[in-house]
Amino acid sequence: GQNIDQPTEMTATEGAIVQINCTYQTSGFNGLFWYQQHAGEAPTFLSYNVLDGLEEKGRFSSFLSRSKGYSYLLLKELQMKDSASYLCAVMDSNYQLIWGAGTKLIIKP
Amino acid sequence: ETGVTQTPRHLVMGMTNKKSLKCEQHLGHNAMYWYKQSAKKPLELMFVYNFKEQTENNSVPSRFSPECPNSSHLFLHLHTLQPEDSALYLCASSQDSGGANEQFFGPGTRLTVL
Repeated sequence: GQNIDQPTEMTATEGAIVQINCTYQTSGFNGLFWYQQHAGEAPTFLSYNVLDGLEEKGRFSSFLSRSKGYSYLLLKELQMKDSASYLCAVMDSNYQLIWGAGTKLIIKP
Repeated sequence: ETGVTQTPRHLVMGMTNKKSLKCEQHLGHNAMYWYKQSAKKPLELMFVYNFKEQTENNSVPSRFSPECPNSSHLFLHLHTLQPEDSALYLCASSQDSGGANEQFFGPGTRLTVL
């Protein structure tokens, strides 16, 4: 079967760095997406990785290792507005997105 | 209006009611999706339309009936729902469904079935 695993909840301090991990087992691989979803709002696109390595975009970076079936989202200089759920999703061989259950990130002052 | 819009934002219905959810995208995309999001569960893909044609139906019960009159509009018709159908229903669109394209989401309809 297809499976995406990510921690249910994480807590971090304002100004700090946090890493949210995602491991996956899917039928084929056409890239991995990270989305941010604030409570009661639509998921919004953060990043897309299809090749191994680190992609940096401002305070957010995303890493992929296809051989390990592993990705992480790194958030630096955390701000209170970063409190949200972070969704990992893998596009399978049929170009369907397989989603993780999301990681709820709580930022404390 | 820009992006993906959904109406209504909240809906409460009884098990014998019939209602419809509406989604509209203003992005010029060709693919539209319905997802179900339940608390602490992964998003569940329900239906996919590409160029108005349904390309995916992930074993969704027949009490959910999608309609896609054109590439910009998507409906989800609901009838004789069950309490376990209470969830957030998200609509999304992308350039098309056959490539690694980013999906843009609407704000969702929070559905409660009594």
